[in-house]
Amino acid sequence: KAGVTQTPRYLIKTRGQQVTLSCSPISGHRSVSWYQQTPGQGLQFLFEYFSETQRNKGNFPGRFSGRQFSNSRSEMNVSTLELGDSALYLCASSLSDRVGDNEQFFGPGTRLTVL
Amino acid sequence: DAKTTQPPSMDCAEGRAANLPCNHSTISGNEYVYWYRQIHSQGPQYIIHGLKNNETNEMASLIITEDRKSSTLILPHATLRDTAVYYCIVRGSARQLTFGSGTQLTVLP
Repeated sequence: KAGVTQTPRYLIKTRGQQVTLSCSPISGHRSVSWYQQTPGQGLQFLFEYFSETQRNKGNFPGRFSGRQFSNSRSEMNVSTLELGDSALYLCASSLSDRVGDNEQFFGPGTRLTVL
Repeated sequence: DAKTTQPPSMDCAEGRAANLPCNHSTISGNEYVYWYRQIHSQGPQYIIHGLKNNETNEMASLIITEDRKSSTLILPHATLRDTAVYYCIVRGSARQLTFGSGTQLTVLP
């Protein structure tokens, strides 16, 4: 079974631009979560989608948004990019939206650099 | 979800067992203990998780104390490729995984 795939793997943007990142979950997985990883803040949760609905959201400004399609693929968008948005953006998928006993599997991430 | 405490770093000789401790003294009855690892600049990799009983899979063993206040991840025969940051996460009602600082495990030749 193929793992979680993320595109693009690397991206360079300038301040003020917007960016869209894509995630394809493991086949059959319906839940997709997004995380941001920076050297200063570590791994932080952005949001989770299940069956095209946002189920949970982390503490990030409204510039960060996402969506999920009927085939469970997900995109996240960051508008008006700031230098501090430079990070590794990680997508994780899981089979269901059950809490507790429900492992998440991560993709390789998209490395975003904002100049 | 309960917080966890892990040592910031550990070394292990190649071929020996690596025992990574984690304290979670405030864990509640319905919270699971998860372990992930992250090799430099890659996505975190799921290793194992458990509730009360010890668990074993092809990668590792998870030993949870009877009072569930601490656990140990055991890599039975560490290799250089096991060098990574290991995260112990307690997860119950929260939908997301909350990552701490983890333990940097360095496997030495």
